[in-house]
Amino acid sequence: DVKVTQSSRYLVKRTGEKVFLECVQDMDHENMFWYRQDPGLGLRLIYFSYDVKMKEKGDIPEGYSVSREKKERFSLILESASTNQTSMYLCASSLTSGRETQYFGPGTRLLVL
Amino acid sequence: GENVEQHPSTLSVQEGDSAVIKCTYSDSASNYFPWYKQELGKRPQLIIDIRSNVGEKKDQRIAVTLNKTAKHFSLHITETQPEDSAVYFCAAEYQGAQKLVFGQGTRLTINP
Repeated sequence: DVKVTQSSRYLVKRTGEKVFLECVQDMDHENMFWYRQDPGLGLRLIYFSYDVKMKEKGDIPEGYSVSREKKERFSLILESASTNQTSMYLCASSLTSGRETQYFGPGTRLLVL
Repeated sequence: GENVEQHPSTLSVQEGDSAVIKCTYSDSASNYFPWYKQELGKRPQLIIDIRSNVGEKKDQRIAVTLNKTAKHFSLHITETQPEDSAVYFCAAEYQGAQKLVFGQGTRLTINP
């Protein structure tokens, strides 16, 4: 069974703080993704990575950065958190291409005050 | 870029009736169309997918149809049950970019 875990289920941060969200998968998947989920907007892709140290911008990368130093780990970084980044953040992984099942983590609900 | 429109945003049906959710996409080169189900408080999970070499795929009470000419695809759930209540997301592969673009989601409620 594929297992995708995220470092926190809930986080409360102050405006301007640096925030790290971490995702780990245990199935040797090449592709990893970070989405944010907001009501009525679906799942919007922030960044994705198809290999170690590789990253690609998704549809809403502004205000975010990512790091993939190891194949199993993909981190999302909010350099200076803002209130409009309050959201549910979901990590996912897939074996290789975008034509394969994406396995999601449980999500991190981030509140920025 | 790729855009996926999903309708309706909410859908309420009586238990035992059928439910249909529709999606349209913009990139004519897309070849892979999955559907994900997200139950309340849980993570999205793939329930069915279809590739462009077929027009329909069925798995028990769930079916998906694809019309490549019109660039739309639909999810059909028959004999709905309370456990079908969830948010459903359609998606389309963005050709060459190794990513999916998701629709806005449909909240399906099955009334007993």
